[in-house]
This record gives sequence, structure tokens and C-alpha cells, in this order.
Amino acid sequence: AQSVTQLDSQVPVFEEAPVELRCNYSSSVSVYLFWYVQYPNQGLQLLLKYLSGSTLVKGINGFEAEFNKSQTSFHLRKPSVHISDTAEYFCAVSAGDEKVTFGTGTKLQVIP
Amino acid sequence: DAGVTQSPTHLIKTRGQQVTLRCSPKSGHDTVSWYQQALGQGPQFIFQYYEEEERQRGNFPDRFSGHQFPNYSSELNVNALLLGDSALYLCASSLASVQETQYFGPGTRLLVL
Repeated sequence: AQSVTQLDSQVPVFEEAPVELRCNYSSSVSVYLFWYVQYPNQGLQLLLKYLSGSTLVKGINGFEAEFNKSQTSFHLRKPSVHISDTAEYFCAVSAGDEKVTFGTGTKLQVIP
Repeated sequence: DAGVTQSPTHLIKTRGQQVTLRCSPKSGHDTVSWYQQALGQGPQFIFQYYEEEERQRGNFPDRFSGHQFPNYSSELNVNALLLGDSALYLCASSLASVQETQYFGPGTRLLVL
């Protein structure tokens, strides 16, 4: 069975500082990996996805993530955050015919 | 091009009642998945519909059932509501050929009293 671990439930960071949100997964087969963002009282918006190919994936709003198979990680990064990036971020994994499994989320709080 | 829409936006029910939530997929999408997101948690997969059939199901009891119509829209029904069913219910649509890429609706927030 597949699983996703987001170790950090909350990450405070000052505006214009870099940020990394951590995601580790477990699966016995090849995986697809995703990051979603959820603003308050809204649904999920896809930030980026890794299906195959280049391990560095660029997404919307200046975010990027790197797939590391040996570390079974898919950490999300942004070099300079804005106030508008304050939201909850979910990592998700899908493998084979299995349903998508989400992590428990990381709340990013950008401090002015 | 409208994205995924869900109705109603909010709903209050009492224990034991039944509820129906609705979802219209993004234009051109033929697959609909439903998720339950409890407060402070990530979304949990309930089931997925394609060609009016339930294709996959998560670990939810039979009180949770669904339907997909010929126009690809979908309903989620929950019978005998429990307090623990209070959550944000999210609908996501995709193309069967690219089902790993899902687009989410804004959700329906259900409160069971």
C-alpha cells in the first residue's frame, strides 16, 4: 500500500525568504507525485505533478519540486515567498491502479 | 470554460438524516472522484465513477453511495448521517485517459448536528 508523510504540520517563514515543504512517500511500484494548494474555504488547486522524465518539476506561482527516488521524497520549494502563498499544501501519491493518497498537509504561514 | 462545480456550498443536517451532494465535472472530463476532508486532515478517497459505474472505492461504509449520470455529472449520497460525517466533501474530475491529473471543485461543507 502507498502512503505519504508530511512531517511539518506548520511552517512559518518571513516574506521574501525561501521555503521548503517536505514530503516523503512509500510505494512498492513507480509513482506519480503531486502537490496541491488549498486556500481557506476553497478546494484544492494543482501546483505541480511528477509523472515521469525530469526529476525537477516546475509548477505555478514560482514553486518547484524535486523527485528523489532513492530518498523517496518530493519536497516542494520556492526561492522567495509572498504573503499570498499563505495556505495549506498537500502532497499526494498515486501508484499503478491505486487511488490517490494525500498527506495530512502543511500550513505555510508567511510573516510580513 | 467552467471548472468543476459543486452544490450546495454548505449544508447542515442532523444525525440519522440522509444527504445528497452534487458535482458537475470540468467540460470534457468523463471521470469523477469524491473525497472527504475532515477538519485538519488531508482528503480521503471515497470512490470514483466512470461510464456511470463505480470504478474504485476507498475505505468507506456502504452508507456512502454515488451515481454518475450520462452527462458525467455525479451525486454523492450519505445515509444515516453520523456526527463524524461532518467534513468538506470534494469532487474532482479528470479524463479517463489522464486520470492522474484531477481538477477539484470548491467543495461542500457538511455539518452534522
